[in-house]
Amino acid sequence: GDSVTQMEGPVTLSEEAFLTINCTYTATGYPSLFWYVQYPGEGLQLLLKATKADDKGSNKGFEATYRKETTSFHLEKGSVQVSDSAVYFCALTPSHAGKSTFGDGTTLTVKP
Amino acid sequence: GAVVSQHPSRVICKSGTSVKIECRSLDFQATTMFWYRQFPKQSLMLMATSNEGSKATYEQGVEKDKFLINHASLTLSTLTVTSAHPEDSSFYICSARSPLSGSVEQYFGPGTRLTVT
Repeated sequence: GDSVTQMEGPVTLSEEAFLTINCTYTATGYPSLFWYVQYPGEGLQLLLKATKADDKGSNKGFEATYRKETTSFHLEKGSVQVSDSAVYFCALTPSHAGKSTFGDGTTLTVKP
Repeated sequence: GAVVSQHPSRVICKSGTSVKIECRSLDFQATTMFWYRQFPKQSLMLMATSNEGSKATYEQGVEKDKFLINHASLTLSTLTVTSAHPEDSSFYICSARSPLSGSVEQYFGPGTRLTVT
């Protein structure tokens, strides 16, 4: 079955540091890939997405590129802020719109 | 656009009682809704998938008689936790999808914190 493996956390960075959260996946076919962010006590918010190989999703300074050859969708941001502190989930959805598969989540803490 | 609401946001109930959680898509028609459960510091666990007008499909290990799901309209799905017990305390999150839009994207509600005393 499908699976998503995320870099284990927690990750602690200083403000303005570079962020990478690794995500690799296993799936048949051509799934869509997502990054979601969850703030304490809230639901998930879509951060960015990519629907086909070599697509780059971007939003609020975050980027991730759909790499089919390495089955990866790593999240990056050039300069993190304290407000980026949250839990980040990588996820995939099959092309036939079935169930989504989520990674375990990575907790990011950014210190001033 | 694509807003999903949940009600209530928090609920405390006594052991043995039933609790209903509503999930609404506010500005689109959701042919499919998902119900997740999330334990502290853990990922989302899919409980069931509901399609409008048909019975929900439950994941293995989820008691369908305990977690009743109804998706009676294209904008509303409900999860009823029957005879709740303290071990049912958790954060419940719904999401909605409208494949009619051509996208497989899910839109998540803000979650409901259930505490059973």
